[in-house]
Amino acid sequence: GNSVTQMEGPVTLSEEAFLTINCTYTATGYPSLFWYVQYPGEGLQLLLKATKADDKGSNKGFEATYRKETTSFHLEKGSVQVSDSAVYFCALNHGGSQGNLIFGKGTKLSVKP
Amino acid sequence: EPEVTQTPSHQVTQMGQEVILRCVPISNHLYFYWYRQILGQKVEFLVSFYNNEISEKSEIFDDQFSVERPDGSNFTLKIRSTKLEDSAMYFCASTRRQQETQYFGPGTRLLVL
Repeated sequence: GNSVTQMEGPVTLSEEAFLTINCTYTATGYPSLFWYVQYPGEGLQLLLKATKADDKGSNKGFEATYRKETTSFHLEKGSVQVSDSAVYFCALNHGGSQGNLIFGKGTKLSVKP
Repeated sequence: EPEVTQTPSHQVTQMGQEVILRCVPISNHLYFYWYRQILGQKVEFLVSFYNNEISEKSEIFDDQFSVERPDGSNFTLKIRSTKLEDSAMYFCASTRRQQETQYFGPGTRLLVL
């Protein structure tokens, strides 16, 4: 079936460090891929998305490229800030009739000053 | 900017009691969803709703669960007889068209004692 696998957390980085959070997926067809972020005490917010192979989603300095050949959608940021501390969820829309999202387990990121 | 709202933010209930979780989706959205996140686990799809009926549901969404859109603005999730394992964060989401970006509410944290 369709699924999303994320790297295990927590991830702890120093400010200005480079971030990569790995995400791979299994899906039939051509799903859309998403990264959602959950800041402490808040709901899920869309961070970025990509709807087809080789698309790059970007927002707030974060980027992820839809790689069909490796079924991956890794999240990257060149220089993290303390305010980026949050839980990051990779998700796919499997393209089914109603479009419900399938999420990974989430990766908690803590950025230290 | 329009947003999805949920009430209450926290609810504590006794096992066997009924609970109703409320959501107000974004006003021009037509597709509505409930997800849940048990502590430390991934966000899981429960049910999707369109045109006043359930369009898709997961195996989690058994006979103890029901959804309703009682008026033009609210979307509710009812759990008839809560179990300890229903303790989770419940997220409502909505979208204007299927497979477009889903916008999430801040969640209701349900604790069943």
